[in-house]
Amino acid sequence: QKEVEQNSGPLSVPEGAIASLNCTYSDRGSQSFFWYRQYSGKSPELIMFIYSNGDKEDGRFTAQLNKASQYVSLLIRDSQPSDSATYLCAAGWGTSYGKLTFGQGTILTVHP
Amino acid sequence: DTGVSQDPRHKITKRGQNVTFRCDPISEHNRLYWYRQTLGQGPEFLTYFQNEAQLEKSRLLSDRFSAERPKGSFSTLEIQRTEQGDSAMYLCASSSLRGFPGGLNTEAFFGQGTRLTVV
Repeated sequence: QKEVEQNSGPLSVPEGAIASLNCTYSDRGSQSFFWYRQYSGKSPELIMFIYSNGDKEDGRFTAQLNKASQYVSLLIRDSQPSDSATYLCAAGWGTSYGKLTFGQGTILTVHP
Repeated sequence: DTGVSQDPRHKITKRGQNVTFRCDPISEHNRLYWYRQTLGQGPEFLTYFQNEAQLEKSRLLSDRFSAERPKGSFSTLEIQRTEQGDSAMYLCASSSLRGFPGGLNTEAFFGQGTRLTVV
């Protein structure tokens, strides 16, 4: 079983819709969670991070964390074609242990 | 440019040759990570430095792989006797501990990567 699981998609949504990306993790010791966006052939770029249960909003993006269910999600409101990319979920284990464990990524396509 | 810098961006090598990649992290970041990514997969952790100390190496990292960060600034990743299975994107990332409450993991910023093709 992978430590961080994502639905690989592809997920296709129309322009202006809400895209919902999901991620589960197996290690309850995970403390920090990150969402990265990766365009084809490019490196991952950080969108958001979340540490506490609940929602965290930044512009059109909302990250949600439920530690009891070991579930992380990313909502993208008013999706744009430029949001079409692979979205990577990653989990980390605190300050003294710097590595991140990534899921395999979800491909999102926003069609006009 | 104050981001993470990697060199070269692309490398094509013949099987059995040695290759070395360089990473220059964001200047105030004391943590540096190497990851490897193959097509359709998320990045896989290889190794991690805090300042000049290499704190962890993945089981994925065979003896043919070695990484250094001699002065706690830039880092090099060397692959000896390359194999076709080493073909991948090698990503470097850096992060800092400053400014975060509770000692939680800080966000890592990635460089543009070095794409290695072993022929």
